[in-house]
Amino acid sequence: SQTIHQWPATLVQPVGSPLSLECTVEGTSNPNLYWYRQAAGRGLQLLFYSVGIGQISSEVPQNLSASRPQDRQFILSSKKLLLSDSGFYLCAWSEFKGGDPEAFFGQGTRLTVV
Amino acid sequence: AQSVTQLDSHVSVSEGTPVLLRCNYSSSYSPSLFWYVQHPNKGLQLLLKYTSAATLVKGINGFEAEFKKSETSFHLTKPSAHMSDAAEYFCVVSEYFGNEKLTFGTGTRLTIIP
Repeated sequence: SQTIHQWPATLVQPVGSPLSLECTVEGTSNPNLYWYRQAAGRGLQLLFYSVGIGQISSEVPQNLSASRPQDRQFILSSKKLLLSDSGFYLCAWSEFKGGDPEAFFGQGTRLTVV
Repeated sequence: AQSVTQLDSHVSVSEGTPVLLRCNYSSSYSPSLFWYVQHPNKGLQLLLKYTSAATLVKGINGFEAEFKKSETSFHLTKPSAHMSDAAEYFCVVSEYFGNEKLTFGTGTRLTIIP
């Protein structure tokens, strides 16, 4: 069965420190992978998506970067966190099987930058 | 390019009364449309999805949505609201061809009045 693992669940980091959030998926190959952010009181904003290894599209300019070193691994990073990076980060993957789309989400990481 | 607009950021209804959460989409191809629910401090749960089969889609917890191509809408409804329905709801669009990216609406917060 398809599963998605995202960690850590919560994180408190000081301003200026680096960030690495990891997401791995199981039960599929060559999925589309996504990082979303949900800031307090706002909807989900697409940050990055990837259609294959090493293929990353950035949706909004920001202090974050993403990498896909393996087919089922998607990493969200920052060299120096800002206060505005606080929020709820969700990893997701999607695929189409026989015309039927599926989308799955991790449980999220709540990041607080202090 | 695809996009989705959730027309209400906040909806309040009394328990036992109907729920209507509105969503309009824009897509260059045949879209897939989803509704997800997010309870406080939880991940996203799929309520229902439309994939070019029946235009009236039934989901979990008594929710349903109707795909109306002429109106480019995919509104979510429920005949009778329950206290446990209080949550954030997201409308999502994905295109079959050329762009399989998931695009989220900004969300609608549903409040249930006892």
